[in-house]
Amino acid sequence: EAGVAQSPRYKIIEKRQSVAFWCNPISGHATLYWYQQILGQGPKLLIQFQNNGVVDDSQLPKDRFSAERLKGVDSTLKIQPAKLEDSAVYLCASSGPGRTNYGYTFGSGTRLTVV
Amino acid sequence: AQSVSQHNHHVILSEAASLELGCNYSYGGTVNLFWYVQYPGQHLQLLLKYFSGDPLVKGIKGFEAEFIKSKFSFNLRKPSVQWSDTAEYFCAVFAFNKFYFGSGTKLNVKP
Repeated sequence: EAGVAQSPRYKIIEKRQSVAFWCNPISGHATLYWYQQILGQGPKLLIQFQNNGVVDDSQLPKDRFSAERLKGVDSTLKIQPAKLEDSAVYLCASSGPGRTNYGYTFGSGTRLTVV
Repeated sequence: AQSVSQHNHHVILSEAASLELGCNYSYGGTVNLFWYVQYPGQHLQLLLKYFSGDPLVKGIKGFEAEFIKSKFSFNLRKPSVQWSDTAEYFCAVFAFNKFYFGSGTKLNVKP
């Protein structure tokens, strides 16, 4: 079974620039999550999708972050404009139908450095 | 709000030493508990999980964890660590259809 695919693997941008990350979940997984992992901290949920609808985006800084999941499959996360404190690893995860707590699968992440 | 506390931020051990990493959570209802490992430069991988039943859970690579409901704890253990166990370990609680992660414990095993 293919895992959760994310790209790019690394990205370096200057502050105030914009950036986008892409995630392709495991086939058939209805739930997709974006997490932000700042160095030295545990992952923090940014947004959760169920199919193409948003379930929880309470922790998403909506003034600069946006995410979409068209057709309930792939997802993109965008930051515009980026700030220095956005430097982090952005993780995508997906989980299947039914109970979603069976240790869902994480992608390798995108490491963003804002300079 | 749910919270997960990992008391040890950085642990240094010699090979063959025993390991115990603490994890406490704050949530009074039924919980599902997990330990994830993140090797340098790699993504999070599931070590083990607890849903119900036997509170002593065995995972991959010789790791185990014990769920103690009265103490709201889910400590990770390994009898004899190896250099290859050098990684960061995250405890997580699944509640309200999402994961809450601890801040992680960096384990450094000296050969």
